[in-house]
Amino acid sequence: EADIYQTPRYLVIGTGKKITLECSQTMGHDKMYWYQQDPGMELHLIHYSYGVNSTEKGDLSSESTVSRIRTEHFPLTLESARPSHTSQYLCASSDWGAGGEDGYTFGSGTRLTVV
Amino acid sequence: QKEVEQNSGPLSVPEGAIASLNCTYSDRGSQSFFWYRQYSGKSPELIMSIYSNGDKEDGRFTAQLNKASQYVSLLIRDSQPSDSATYLCAVRMAGANSKLTFGKGITLSVRP
Repeated sequence: EADIYQTPRYLVIGTGKKITLECSQTMGHDKMYWYQQDPGMELHLIHYSYGVNSTEKGDLSSESTVSRIRTEHFPLTLESARPSHTSQYLCASSDWGAGGEDGYTFGSGTRLTVV
Repeated sequence: QKEVEQNSGPLSVPEGAIASLNCTYSDRGSQSFFWYRQYSGKSPELIMSIYSNGDKEDGRFTAQLNKASQYVSLLIRDSQPSDSATYLCAVRMAGANSKLTFGKGITLSVRP
C-alpha cells in the first residue's frame, strides 16, 4: 500500500547541530506540507510545495528550510538546532487537483528534542 | 475571529452514547471539509470528508455540513473507549489551492 514515511521517528540532538528530517511518499502526490505541532496544541503550517522546485513558507515563521528536488522527497533542514525547535514535525501530502482523494495523508511524524 | 473554530473541550461521554463535535468556519466560499482523528502522540488520520450540504454516513460516523450557517459537525454513534482522541476539523478555503486550515481540535473522552 502506498504511504508516506518520516525518519527519524524520534531525535534528541544538541544545540547548534544541523539536522535534516526526512519525508518521502510513494503516492506520486505533487503537494507536500510540513506542520509543527507542540503537545496538545494546534497544527501550524511551516512549509509547503506544489511540485518539484516549488517551495513556499507557511503561516508560522520557521528557521527551517526545505527542498523539493524529486516529487517523492521533501526534506526539512535546521541549520543550527535550538531548544525552541523542540516539537513534533509532521509531513503530509495531497492529491488535490489531480482527481484523487482531497484530504491530506500524514506521515508518522518526527518528535525532535533539542538539548 | 479564527478561520476554523471548534467548540471548547474536553468532551466526555459514556460508552454507547452519541458524541457530537462541532466546527464553524469563516470563509463562505470554502468547498471541502474534513475530520481528522489524532490519538495522543500520533499523527492525524483522516476519518471523514464532506463537500455537499447534508449528511454523509460512514459506519458509526456521520458528518453534517451546512454551508449557509458555515458549520460542519461530526456525530459518533455508539461511542467506544477507542474513540477517545482529539478530533480536528479542517477546511479548504476558497483560493487556498490545496492547503487546509485546521481547527485547534477537541479532545473526546469516552468513559467505559
